[in-house]
Amino acid sequence: QKEVEQDPGPLSVPEGAIVSLNCTYSNSAFQYFMWYRQYSRKGPELLMYTYSSGNKEDGRFTAQVDKSSKYISLFIRDSQPSDSATYLCAMSDRGSTLGRLYFGRGTQLTVWP
Amino acid sequence: GAGVSQSPSNKVTEKGKDVELRCDPISGHTALYWYRQSLGQGLEFLIYFQGNSAPDKSGLPSDRFSAERTGGSVSTLTIQRTQQEDSAVYLCASSAPGQGKYEQYFGPGTRLTVT
Repeated sequence: QKEVEQDPGPLSVPEGAIVSLNCTYSNSAFQYFMWYRQYSRKGPELLMYTYSSGNKEDGRFTAQVDKSSKYISLFIRDSQPSDSATYLCAMSDRGSTLGRLYFGRGTQLTVWP
Repeated sequence: GAGVSQSPSNKVTEKGKDVELRCDPISGHTALYWYRQSLGQGLEFLIYFQGNSAPDKSGLPSDRFSAERTGGSVSTLTIQRTQQEDSAVYLCASSAPGQGKYEQYFGPGTRLTVT
């Protein structure tokens, strides 16, 4: 079993839909949680960064962390065709310097007009 | 400001040849990471440099892989005697933990194809 599990999709939604992306993990030591967006043939771009449990909102994006269930989510409201990309969850168990990140496989999202 | 840069963007090499991949981190970032992304897979950690500390090499898949970081800035990932299973996108990231900024910022990657 991988330490971070993420459904690769693909996920296809119409413009304006609410998108829910999820990851589960097995290592209870993970404390820092990130979501990256990766366009085709580009490097991952950091979208959201949260510490421990709770919610964080940034514009149309909301990240949720439930450490008791070892489950994290990213919600995209009013999705746009420009949101079409692969979304990668990542997490770390280090305190002060983060060190290596553990990634999910990524979920491929297509938002059609 | 300038982001993480990597060169070359694409590299095609024959099986058995050695390759060198270069990473220029964001100026002032003391931490530097190498990851590998194979087709349809998530990012796989390779190696991590933080300041003058000994690097964390725990992710290197074999002794054919090595990396160095000169002057606390530029890093080179070397793969000796390349194999077809080494074909992947090699991504470099940097962060500034000394400034309380732990987020890792990625470069565009080097796409390596071993024929």
